[in-house]
Amino acid sequence: AQTVTQSQPEMSVQEAETVTLSCTYDTSENNYYLFWYKQPPSRQMILVIRQEAYKQQNATENRFSVNFQKAAKSFSLKISDSQLGDTAMYFCAFMKAGGTSYGKLTFGQGTILTVHP
Amino acid sequence: DVKVTQSSRYLVKRTGEKVFLECVQDMDHENMFWYRQDPGLGLRLIYFSYDVKMKEKGDIPEGYSVSREKKERFSLILESASTNQTSMYLCASTPGGGPYNEQFFGPGTRLTVL
Repeated sequence: AQTVTQSQPEMSVQEAETVTLSCTYDTSENNYYLFWYKQPPSRQMILVIRQEAYKQQNATENRFSVNFQKAAKSFSLKISDSQLGDTAMYFCAFMKAGGTSYGKLTFGQGTILTVHP
Repeated sequence: DVKVTQSSRYLVKRTGEKVFLECVQDMDHENMFWYRQDPGLGLRLIYFSYDVKMKEKGDIPEGYSVSREKKERFSLILESASTNQTSMYLCASTPGGGPYNEQFFGPGTRLTVL
């Protein structure tokens, strides 16, 4: 079984600054995917960024980037130039690769990020 | 535009009642999921379905059942609601196949059991 751990229950950052959210995971699988999801207050969960474990290059999506360290089983999210709209709960998630996974996700506990003006 | 809807945003029920939570997706997705979200625990998978009438238990299925009679609809049933089932319930769907699939989430149902 997989486990995902987010050790920072809450984080805060000033607008326009950079913040990094931590995530570690434990698995015996070699082929998998990692995700960061964002849940804004009272709004639907949406995908922020994803990483394939077989790719060494870190994924980036505009102001969002990850630092994927496969050997250390670490998958942190960096948000650059933070904006007020980034205020949300962020979840790290793991998906085993392969047809029998059916796209099931294992989530971390979540980190509440508050961006201050 | 991708859409997952849930029948209620807020629901209040009494202990022992039978509760139905409905989820509908309009994307023709094969796979559908029910999670519960609790503070400090993140999202935990209750049940999922990979095809019509097919279902599998997730990590915390006790006290719940599901039904998927049509591809677009996935229902979560609390046979006899208890106070420890007070939680936020999230439905999600994802297409089958492909190397990895983004899950699309509904807005959630906040259930309170008194």
